[in-house]
Amino acid sequence: GQNIDQPTEMTATEGAIVQINCTYQTSGFNGLFWYQQHAGEAPTFLSYNVLDGLEEKGRFSSFLSRSKGYSYLLLKELQMKDSASYLCAVIFGTGFQKLVFGTGTRLLVSP
Amino acid sequence: EPEVTQTPSHQVTQMGQEVILRCVPISNHLYFYWYRQILGQKVEFLVSFYNNEISEKSEIFDDQFSVERPDGSNFTLKIRSTKLEDSAMYFCASSDYGTGVTEKLFFGSGTQLSVL
Repeated sequence: GQNIDQPTEMTATEGAIVQINCTYQTSGFNGLFWYQQHAGEAPTFLSYNVLDGLEEKGRFSSFLSRSKGYSYLLLKELQMKDSASYLCAVIFGTGFQKLVFGTGTRLLVSP
Repeated sequence: EPEVTQTPSHQVTQMGQEVILRCVPISNHLYFYWYRQILGQKVEFLVSFYNNEISEKSEIFDDQFSVERPDGSNFTLKIRSTKLEDSAMYFCASSDYGTGVTEKLFFGSGTQLSVL
């Protein structure tokens, strides 16, 4: 199957750290993306993991464990503008042509 | 940064009518995609397009849907006879797969289609 699971909603306070988890149950895994989506807008690229380990990019980091079918997105020093949905998306098969998205995690950052 | 552009931003149509959603992908990209997102639901893959033909499509992409690259810059999605359940935000995307760069998708800002 191509199930991708994320928590529906999370809340955090400004300046804090939050970790958004994503699990996937599938064979043919070929890479995982995290996208940010503000309400009514297009998804924007945050990170891409294809090998195990941590990818750090400024305040955002993404981790992948292929053996566990698990990824997380870590957001540090949260800002109000980080309030958005965070979409986990997986590439399947040998072609890099189709992303399967999870339902997204809506993050609410409060003062 | 280069961007994918979509027109119109909003489209309202009557059930049974044909609509064409337009996209201009990033100029040096090779792969083009359409995704849709029904309000409150997840982003869903519709179709991918490469070398002037469909490379993959989902179950959603039935005979009422078609895509075309009529010239060197535009990429269109046509829905022949719209249904109420086609109401959604439609995102066009492109990628530069094959150049050695991470194959991330660049999404356009979307066309909100409302079928009445």
